[in-house]
Amino acid sequence: GESVGLHLPTLSVQEGDNSIINCAYSNSASDYFIWYKQESGKGPQFIIDIRSNMDKRQGQRVTVLLNKTVKHLSLQIAATQPGDSAVYFCAEKRSGGSYIPTFGRGTSLIVHP
Amino acid sequence: GAGVSQTPSNKVTEKGKYVELRCDPISGHTALYWYRQSLGQGPEFLIYFQGTGAADDSGLPNDRFFAVRPEGSVSTLKIQRTERGDSAVYLCASSFKGGGLFFGEGSRLTVL
Repeated sequence: GESVGLHLPTLSVQEGDNSIINCAYSNSASDYFIWYKQESGKGPQFIIDIRSNMDKRQGQRVTVLLNKTVKHLSLQIAATQPGDSAVYFCAEKRSGGSYIPTFGRGTSLIVHP
Repeated sequence: GAGVSQTPSNKVTEKGKYVELRCDPISGHTALYWYRQSLGQGPEFLIYFQGTGAADDSGLPNDRFFAVRPEGSVSTLKIQRTERGDSAVYLCASSFKGGGLFFGEGSRLTVL
């Protein structure tokens, strides 16, 4: 079936290091992907998105890479800060026309000072 | 307002009671979504509105759940005969023309 999943449930890094959070998807018809950050007790916060006609997109300290060949998505955070500690979700656009993001379980990023 | 607003932020009710959760989306956003999130899980899709109509309600778990958006802006999620398994954070999000979703802080529902 179609699914969105994450390789690692928890990622621990030192402050200042770069972080890479990975995500696999199985729906080859997905054409839009989004990364969200969710802090404890808050709603998910939009970070960055990418369409399937792109391989890479950069934002402020974040880069999303899309590898359609192996159906893999990654979020890279440069110079990780304690404020980056949160759960990160990738979401894909479901096939069928309606834009309804489907979320995986998430990866918990823990940044140690 | 500047962001998606959800009320109440917390709701405690007894099993069998009726509950309404309200969502006020970002002004001008035509699409509105309801998701449900249990502890340690990602958001689970419930229903999606485009304007006033429910474009996709395939995520509603059963007929005890219903949502409306009568004027294409504010939406209300209604849960009848609540059960303990309905306890979760109910998230609302809005978007403009298929772009990224912007979420509210959620309404935490606890059914005793």
